[in-house]
Amino acid sequence: DAGVIQSPRHEVTEMGQEVTLRCKPISGHDYLFWYRQTMMRGLELLIYFNNNVPIDDSGMPEDRFSAKMPNASFSTLKIQPSEPRDSAVYFCASSLRKNSNQPQHFGDGTRLSIL
Amino acid sequence: AQTVTQSQPEMSVQEAETVTLSCTYDTSENNYYLFWYKQPPSRQMILVIRQEAYKQQNATENRFSVNFQKAAKSFSLKISDSQLGDTAMYFCAFMKHYGGATNKLIFGTGTLLAVQP
Repeated sequence: DAGVIQSPRHEVTEMGQEVTLRCKPISGHDYLFWYRQTMMRGLELLIYFNNNVPIDDSGMPEDRFSAKMPNASFSTLKIQPSEPRDSAVYFCASSLRKNSNQPQHFGDGTRLSIL
Repeated sequence: AQTVTQSQPEMSVQEAETVTLSCTYDTSENNYYLFWYKQPPSRQMILVIRQEAYKQQNATENRFSVNFQKAAKSFSLKISDSQLGDTAMYFCAFMKHYGGATNKLIFGTGTLLAVQP
């Protein structure tokens, strides 16, 4: 079975540009999570969805960040405008509610560098 | 609010030896799950082992085992017969359990383990 698929794997762009990160969860999973990993703050949950509906976005740092899940097989995390402090690795993860202790399956992450 | 603490930023172990990584957490919940994730240089997040808080028996997965002390809120990971491929960042994580509802993972800051040949 295919795992969580994220694209791109690496992104380098100049500050002020719009950045869009993409995620395809595991088929059948009903929860999707977006995390950010930095050296200073470790792994932080930004937002998560259940059945395509955002449930908790309290981790989204500011209005420059937005996330959508238009359907069960696709989600985006957008940063506009981007800033150098947004440089990090962004992970997407998915899980299945039916098994309450089912761990989250992570994608390989997108390494984002804002110059 | 729940917190997860990993007090060892870095550790080193000789190949074939045993190493224990520490994790403590703080919660007022009675039902929850605990996990150890491994992140090798490839940056994948790989589940190593999980423990349900209502189970007294410590979880074991091949060379990996945990020492779960619920009263002390401690959840250490023991790696036996360490292999070079075990070199990675290890994260301890906590998840509340609400009658079957998935909830968010709260991660510790990680322990970087280096296995020396």
